[in-house]
Amino acid sequence: AQSVTQLGSHVSVSEGALVLLRCNYSSSVPPYLFWYVQYPNQGLQLLLKYTSAATLVKGINGFEAEFKKSETSFHLTKPSAHMSDAAEYFCAADFGNEKLTFGTGTRLTIIP
Amino acid sequence: DTGVSQDPRHKITKRGQNVTFRCDPISEHNRLYWYRQTLGQGPEFLTYFQNEAQLEKSRLLSDRFSAERPKGSFSTLEIQRTEQGDSAMYLCASRRDGDYEQYFGPGTRLTVT
Repeated sequence: AQSVTQLGSHVSVSEGALVLLRCNYSSSVPPYLFWYVQYPNQGLQLLLKYTSAATLVKGINGFEAEFKKSETSFHLTKPSAHMSDAAEYFCAADFGNEKLTFGTGTRLTIIP
Repeated sequence: DTGVSQDPRHKITKRGQNVTFRCDPISEHNRLYWYRQTLGQGPEFLTYFQNEAQLEKSRLLSDRFSAERPKGSFSTLEIQRTEQGDSAMYLCASRRDGDYEQYFGPGTRLTVT
């Protein structure tokens, strides 16, 4: 079955440290992939997308993600965490069926 | 581009009552989606429209749920005879044909007491 898996429901990093949030997909054909961020009691904001062009994708707020077909992964990174990055992050995929399938999310905490 | 808007932002209702939510997509977006998000989970697809046509409904969408997009602009999601299990955040998203990214509204948080 086609699915999205986010390893680590909670991740804590120190301010200024590297942020790494993991996302893997399960599908025989690479999907379109997205990262969204959600602040408390708000909707989802698109951070970045992979739609089969460049495998290294840059997004807003200094985030980037790399699509690796061999690893079926699309991990999200940011070189230096900021307090404002504290939020819930969701990886999502469009498996060619016109809708998004989401992972269960990763809550990012930034330690001052 | 004013973004996707949803109304109301919060709704508290008693079990057994009917509720209706509204979503206004980004003006040039012809595809409109509804998702449901429960606490600690990612959003789950409910249904989507291309213009006024409802193209797919999830099995999550029981007979108590109905969605419409009568003129291909705004959409409504109605839940009849609400149950406590319906308590969730209901998210609306839109996109254009040919684009793949969906843009989400702020959501409607439903609490059924």
